[in-house]
Amino acid sequence: GENVEQHPSTLSVQEGDSAVIKCTYSDSASNYFPWYKQELGKRPQLIIDIRSNVGEKKDQRIAVTLNKTAKHFSLHITETQPEDSAVYFCAASNNYGQNFVFGPGTRLSVLP
Amino acid sequence: DAGVIQSPRHEVTEMGQEVTLRCKPISGHNSLFWYRQTMMRGLELLIYFNNNVPIDDSGMPEDRFSAKMPNASFSTLKIQPSEPRDSAVYFCASSPGSEKLFFGSGTQLSVL
Repeated sequence: GENVEQHPSTLSVQEGDSAVIKCTYSDSASNYFPWYKQELGKRPQLIIDIRSNVGEKKDQRIAVTLNKTAKHFSLHITETQPEDSAVYFCAASNNYGQNFVFGPGTRLSVLP
Repeated sequence: DAGVIQSPRHEVTEMGQEVTLRCKPISGHNSLFWYRQTMMRGLELLIYFNNNVPIDDSGMPEDRFSAKMPNASFSTLKIQPSEPRDSAVYFCASSPGSEKLFFGSGTQLSVL
């Protein structure tokens, strides 16, 4: 089955700096890669996603890159703000949403 | 739309008791997922349904866990008998089959 690894497990950045979180997956059949943000005590919420036929996608301060050959994808947050502080989960799915496997999460702290 | 609705929000029970968690997916969504979240193990996929049919239950930890989806608008996750190590947040999520996963608010389960 699919296995998703995520690094780092914790990340602290100064407000205004960039943050990068990296994930690797094992199943070459995976073709959909979403990122979820979970604030303390809340549900995970989708912030950005990318399909296997795209190498990069950007939405304002957030971008995701995908390297299918190397089986890794990354989340980039620029100009970080305190409200970006949360746990971020990457996930991999095959058949476009039939089986989601999540990474272990990265706790991001943006320091004022 | 009210989103994915889970009940109860909190459940405290004693070891050996039966626990039933409930989920109402978003209307029109044909996939439903049950996840368990703990600090140690992160977000674990327990089981998912497609069109009310269980597709993959390999994540169900043991026979004490069972899940049903009798119709498109309702699913249950049952633990019988419950044990302290079952304490976790249990999330239900639904998807329209086009990738995006929408989570409920979760059920915080404490087994004493």
